[in-house]
Amino acid sequence: NAGVTQTPKFRILKIGQSMTLQCAQDMNHNYMYWYRQDPGMGLKLIYYSVGAGITDKGEVPNGYNVSRSTTEDFPLRLELAAPSQTSVYFCASRKGLAGGGVLTQYFGPGTRLTVL
Amino acid sequence: GEDVEQSLFLSVREGDSSVINCTYTDSSSTYLYWYKQEPGAGLQLLTYIFSNMDMKQDQRLTVLLNKKDKHLSLRIADTQTGDSAIYFCAESISTSGTYKYIFGTGTRLKVLA
Repeated sequence: NAGVTQTPKFRILKIGQSMTLQCAQDMNHNYMYWYRQDPGMGLKLIYYSVGAGITDKGEVPNGYNVSRSTTEDFPLRLELAAPSQTSVYFCASRKGLAGGGVLTQYFGPGTRLTVL
Repeated sequence: GEDVEQSLFLSVREGDSSVINCTYTDSSSTYLYWYKQEPGAGLQLLTYIFSNMDMKQDQRLTVLLNKKDKHLSLRIADTQTGDSAIYFCAESISTSGTYKYIFGTGTRLKVLA
């Protein structure tokens, strides 16, 4: 299994540009998450999904959108990039308790985004 | 609200034991976790403990949970230079039919040769 994969690894955007951060998992996990990690801070939840077709906001959703058309993919969209969105973005997934999980999240390697 | 706190830095000599501490405010956590993050990489699960346990040992790792004081610690025995990384404490909390995760700010462990 590849686990959780994210692309791109690095990206520089100009203010006002848009982009999509890709996330995919091959573990058949129902739950998927997007976090951002700012320097010296813990992870903040942007959006999450409990299954295909179902998404919900986390703590810091403003400026972002998500979709979940398949179990495997959970892309994060930035429509009008702002300097405040400079961060490292992590995607994570987990299986449900019914699958015998202990609620453990598995993380991708991250996307480092700079908005200038 | 929920909060998880950790000290920012810890420095130890190779071969010594490291103890990384974490305090949390929400007593309804289900599981508590320790993650390791190496430079340029994602978070890797090291170990976890169920909230009704006091201790869990896994090779060089020992997790202690004091529910009364809401304190979690990770002890790494015989610390090696490869253990240098940022360590995150996290808890999962049941809410509105699902679970949310609260992460600490991370403790940067530096192992001196």
